[in-house]
Amino acid sequence: DTAVSQTPKYLVTQMGNDKSIKCEQNLGHDTMYWYKQDSKKFLKIMFSYNNKELIINETVPNRFSPKSPDKAHLNLHINSLELGDSAVYFCASSYQRLAGAANEQFFGPGTRLTVL
Amino acid sequence: QQPVQSPQAVILREGEDAVINCSSSKALYSVHWYRQKHGEAPVFLMILLKGGEQKGHEKISASFNEKKQQSSLYLTASQLSYSGTYFCGTEPGSQGNLIFGKGTKLSVKP
Repeated sequence: DTAVSQTPKYLVTQMGNDKSIKCEQNLGHDTMYWYKQDSKKFLKIMFSYNNKELIINETVPNRFSPKSPDKAHLNLHINSLELGDSAVYFCASSYQRLAGAANEQFFGPGTRLTVL
Repeated sequence: QQPVQSPQAVILREGEDAVINCSSSKALYSVHWYRQKHGEAPVFLMILLKGGEQKGHEKISASFNEKKQQSSLYLTASQLSYSGTYFCGTEPGSQGNLIFGKGTKLSVKP
């Protein structure tokens, strides 16, 4: 099936650990995103990335880093995990926005991260 | 910079109508609407690009007042399947990321 997939679906870990979440899309999109949704359901952009440009939300700690081995994958690596990192992380993808246009984003199923 | 959505929550009976509003203090390039059901990913509903543009899909439609920097989502003759949290996302310029509002929780009862 064509879709945006994420692994793992659930991730439980201890404070201070380093973890990665993987994201893959087979929709042929050229822009991918990471969002964080906290316990109050606030959906916040963390990064957007295409082959040319990484746009970082300035409020994201540098413990978070996106890594893209190719256009279909955008992984999220988190160093020194903290309690406040507990949230649902969504990957999304879209076509690259051209001037005068806007594109819908397709979201993955989410990864629920719990930091103990 | 985050758009403001209202109301925060609304409860409807099947067949009733609802309006969800989204406003921004910044000039907007576009407004996106998504619906998220509990435990699931947000799902795209529609994008509005031009001032005054209205779009619709079945009984869900939206408008965008570029001058007022506002958008409204209209749900007509609501169905149980409409239940979920509705998010508006705004793009403040032609470049940059989507910024979502805090969401409006819609519950449709039989």
